[in-house]
Amino acid sequence: EAQVTQNPRYLITVTGKKLTVTCSQNMNHEYMSWYRQDPGLGLRQIYYSMNVEVTDKGDVPEGYKVSRKEKRNFPLILESPSPNQTSLYFCASRLGNGYEQYFGPGTRLTVT
Amino acid sequence: QKEVEQNSGPLSVPEGAIASLNCTYSDRGSQSFFWYRQYSGKSPELIMSIYSNGDKEDGRFTAQLNKASQYVSLLIRDSQPSDSATYLCAVRSGNTGKLIFGQGTTLQVKP
Repeated sequence: EAQVTQNPRYLITVTGKKLTVTCSQNMNHEYMSWYRQDPGLGLRQIYYSMNVEVTDKGDVPEGYKVSRKEKRNFPLILESPSPNQTSLYFCASRLGNGYEQYFGPGTRLTVT
Repeated sequence: QKEVEQNSGPLSVPEGAIASLNCTYSDRGSQSFFWYRQYSGKSPELIMSIYSNGDKEDGRFTAQLNKASQYVSLLIRDSQPSDSATYLCAVRSGNTGKLIFGQGTTLQVKP
């Protein structure tokens, strides 16, 4: 089944404790993105990747890192999480520009 | 002016009626347009894509695009309570290629 997977789905952590949210797609898509969604603010792009080893900042990249060492994987790293990063996070992928984009199931992160 | 604008709603329609959701965008060079449905706490699910002017139908859903007016809409015929969700309009920027989302319109279908 073609899909985007994320892990973990739920995470509660404390300020400053490094964490990684994994994202994987099995559709051989070139483009992958990370979004966060907050009430009243909609979907905001954090980082995106156009291909292996090619990443760029989205609208809200501060406090996040990403890497794209393999085509299928695009992990999101929070080196020192803070409470303002409490949010619902989505990974997404698409074949290329102009193509349809598919979302993972989401990761609900709480930073205390 | 926001790049992609939607009325936040809620839009309330009775079961069996037609729900009409609207979206306007500012980038005249945009070429690709998408509608996503999102249930509370769930991920956005792609329901329609449209690339050229006119109507595109898929089951109970019809997407309409008017590039001259920079307007895209989604019609849901025979609305069901299960259609109650937030509908996100997304537009691919002609300049940057970035996919830009509207804030979403909440639809409530009352039995």
